[in-house]
Amino acid sequence: DAGVTQSPTHLIKTRGQQVTLRCSPKSGHDTVSWYQQALGQGPQFIFQYYEEEERQRGNFPDRFSGHQFPNYSSELNVNALLLGDSALYLCASNWKAREQFFGPGTRLTVL
Amino acid sequence: KQEVTQIPAALSVPEGENLVLNCSFTDSAIYNLQWFRQDPGKGLTSLLLIQSSQREQTSGRLNASLDKSSGRSTLYIAASQPGDSATYLCAVVILTGGGNKLTFGTGTQLKVEL
Repeated sequence: DAGVTQSPTHLIKTRGQQVTLRCSPKSGHDTVSWYQQALGQGPQFIFQYYEEEERQRGNFPDRFSGHQFPNYSSELNVNALLLGDSALYLCASNWKAREQFFGPGTRLTVL
Repeated sequence: KQEVTQIPAALSVPEGENLVLNCSFTDSAIYNLQWFRQDPGKGLTSLLLIQSSQREQTSGRLNASLDKSSGRSTLYIAASQPGDSATYLCAVVILTGGGNKLTFGTGTQLKVEL
């Protein structure tokens, strides 16, 4: 079992660009959540996908959007990037409301 | 709104010491509580998960306790080692919108020195 995988590992973008991050859940998991972790902070919940729909959302602007595919993998899209979007983006997966398992993260740097 | 606070923010101890990390939360209506370890620039490694009905969980040199009524949890690390150096994050888990959501503290950065 490969666990939760994320790609890419690192990404550098400039302000105003758009970015797509990808996540493959742990085998058997049907739910994917995304978190943003700024330097020196704890992760902040962005949103959660289940059955290809956004089930709940944290306090993030509409520039942050996502998608879940029939194979349960997920994408996080961020439009009109700001310097403040620089962070480690973590994906977590789980089955029903069971324990969430985290991936290694994608480090996004916005210049 | 649930808020999670961790004290201290940073801690430096000599090898072999026993230590306690603290976590407090404002809303006691939690589903469970987790402690994670994070190495610099890396993802999260789950250490212990305590169900809301439990008082504590143990794994090796780690012991976590939970007092829901007072909104507190502690992580006890026995006989600390340099390999324990990392950031330790506490997260409360709530059920919402048909799923679950984690709210994290800002972490305690631990350094264990030789």
